[in-house]
Amino acid sequence: AQTVTQSQPEMSVQEAETVTLSCTYDTSESDYYLFWYKQPPSRQMILVIRQEAYKQQNATENRFSVNFQKAAKSFSLKISDSQLGDAAMYFCAYRSDDAGGTSYGKLTFGQGTILTVHP
Amino acid sequence: DAGITQSPRHKVTETGTPVTLRCHQTENHRYMYWYRQDPGHGLRLIHYSYGVKDTDKGEVSDGYSVSRSKTEDFLLTLESATSSQTSVYFCAIRSFEGSEAFFGQGTRLTVV
Repeated sequence: AQTVTQSQPEMSVQEAETVTLSCTYDTSESDYYLFWYKQPPSRQMILVIRQEAYKQQNATENRFSVNFQKAAKSFSLKISDSQLGDAAMYFCAYRSDDAGGTSYGKLTFGQGTILTVHP
Repeated sequence: DAGITQSPRHKVTETGTPVTLRCHQTENHRYMYWYRQDPGHGLRLIHYSYGVKDTDKGEVSDGYSVSRSKTEDFLLTLESATSSQTSVYFCAIRSFEGSEAFFGQGTRLTVV
């Protein structure tokens, strides 16, 4: 079974600065997807960014980027120019590749990291 | 808006009572999931469905059952609620292999 570990229960950053959230995972699979989800106080789960394991290029979405190290099984999220609206719980998640039709899209989540943004 | 609605949004119930949470979707998504969120554990999969009447267990299925008699509804039932089932419950939907999951707003359940 796959496991996802977020070792930072809480992180903080000053507005306009950069912060990196860590995530490691364990799997014996070669094809899979990794995600970062944001959960603000509203409780809504919002997809921030996704990475396909077969892609060597790190995914980027505006101020959000990842550092995907497949051999090290590491998947960190970098938030640049932090904004007050970035304050939330962030979850790292893993999903097996669906090509065989047997994984059913099940997600495995890390424990979460609470990000505080200071003005 | 992915057309997913959870009901109720909040519920307080007594130990030993049955509870049913409903997930309703409006866009004929094939896959539906129930997760629970607890501090220190993130979200964990309870049950999932890959079609009408096709369901299977997830990581933390003990004490829970599900039913999906039609595409749009996925029901999660706690036959006899316990305090350990106090949690926030999320439903998620997904269209097809490779697509992303969309989550409902969550249901906060408190068992007293």
